[in-house]
Amino acid sequence: GNSVTQMEGPVTLSEEAFLTINCTYTATGYPSLFWYVQYPGEGLQLLLKATKADDKGSNKGFEATYRKETTSFHLEKGSVQVSDSAVYFCALRKAAGNKLTFGGGTRVLVKP
Amino acid sequence: GAGVSQSPRYKVAKRGQDVALRCDPISGHVSLFWYQQALGQGPEFLTYFQNEAQLDKSGLPSDRFFAERPEGSVSTLKIQRTQQEDSAVYLCASSLTQGDSYEQYFGPGTRLTVT
Repeated sequence: GNSVTQMEGPVTLSEEAFLTINCTYTATGYPSLFWYVQYPGEGLQLLLKATKADDKGSNKGFEATYRKETTSFHLEKGSVQVSDSAVYFCALRKAAGNKLTFGGGTRVLVKP
Repeated sequence: GAGVSQSPRYKVAKRGQDVALRCDPISGHVSLFWYQQALGQGPEFLTYFQNEAQLDKSGLPSDRFFAERPEGSVSTLKIQRTQQEDSAVYLCASSLTQGDSYEQYFGPGTRLTVT
């Protein structure tokens, strides 16, 4: 079946540090890949997505590249801010499917 | 505009009670999803509607769980004879229709605690 594995948190960083959250997936076919973010007290929001191999999704300074050869979709940001403190979820959606399959989430805490 | 809303936001139920959780999707959204998120874990798919048709209920954990969307808008997730393992946040999401171009918008969730 389909599954998503992401690094466990919490990840604690200082402001302006470089952030990487690893995500790998198992799926048949060619899924679409997503990063969702959940800020404290808020609902899940789509951060970025990529729908085919070698696509790069980007938003709010975050980037992730769909790597089919390594079945990975790692999230990166060059200089984090306190406001980036949140829980980040990697997810996939099977081609022609609808439901999302999520990883377990990674809590990120950015300290001033 | 208004996003996805869910009610109640918090629900405490005694074991064995029945509960009903409501989801109001974004107006005009055809697709509606329910997910269950246990503490410290990622959301897990429960069921999917397109308009009033329930097209996928493969994630419902037992026959105590039942979902409906009779008029293709508001949806209700019902859990009968609640058990402690049902304690979780129940998330609803809607999208304009199906496919890669259409983002799923999530509601704030209903936190269910079964005592």
